[in-house]
Amino acid sequence: DVKVTQSSRYLVKRTGEKVFLECVQDMDHENMFWYRQDPGLGLRLIYFSYDVKMKEKGDIPEGYSVSREKKERFSLILESASTNQTSMYLCASTISGSPTDTQYFGPGTRLTVL
Amino acid sequence: GQNIDQPTEMTATEGAIVQINCTYQTSGFNGLFWYQQHAGEAPTFLSYNVLDGLEEKGRFSSFLSRSKGYSYLLLKELQMKDSASYLCAGMDSNYQLIWGAGTKLIIKP
Repeated sequence: DVKVTQSSRYLVKRTGEKVFLECVQDMDHENMFWYRQDPGLGLRLIYFSYDVKMKEKGDIPEGYSVSREKKERFSLILESASTNQTSMYLCASTISGSPTDTQYFGPGTRLTVL
Repeated sequence: GQNIDQPTEMTATEGAIVQINCTYQTSGFNGLFWYQQHAGEAPTFLSYNVLDGLEEKGRFSSFLSRSKGYSYLLLKELQMKDSASYLCAGMDSNYQLIWGAGTKLIIKP
């Protein structure tokens, strides 16, 4: 079974703090994604990566950055957390470069910024 | 603009059948996905349709009409464990996924 894990299920941070969200997949997947999920809205893509050290902006990259130093790990960084970044963050991966591949999601990190 | 519309919430009875509709407007089209998400858990893949018609997988079926920009997910013999949100996502010409807000399905005994 594919496993995508995220470092924390719940996180509380203060405004202005630097926040790191970690995602690890154990099936040698090529592509990895970060989304945020807010009530009443569909999943919104923040960043994705199709290879080590490669990254592409999604629909809402402002206020975020990412890092992919190893194939299995994709980190989302909030340089200076703000209250409007309070959300559920979901990491996902796909097995190959085919865009129609199934996305495998992690359990999510619910981030609260005070 | 690109848009996915699906009902916010639906209620159905255990053992019955329910149909969750999804309409989409995307720039080009490369298929439509359905995912299931139980509360507090990760979304999991249910189906992918790119051709018109009905695809059946056990108790779940998914239908696509490209000419109408319409899909539905049909759940038969509903069980309590089917209580979840169902996410519809269309893939545009750039292979980007456009996600709906999800339909929360409540199953009553």
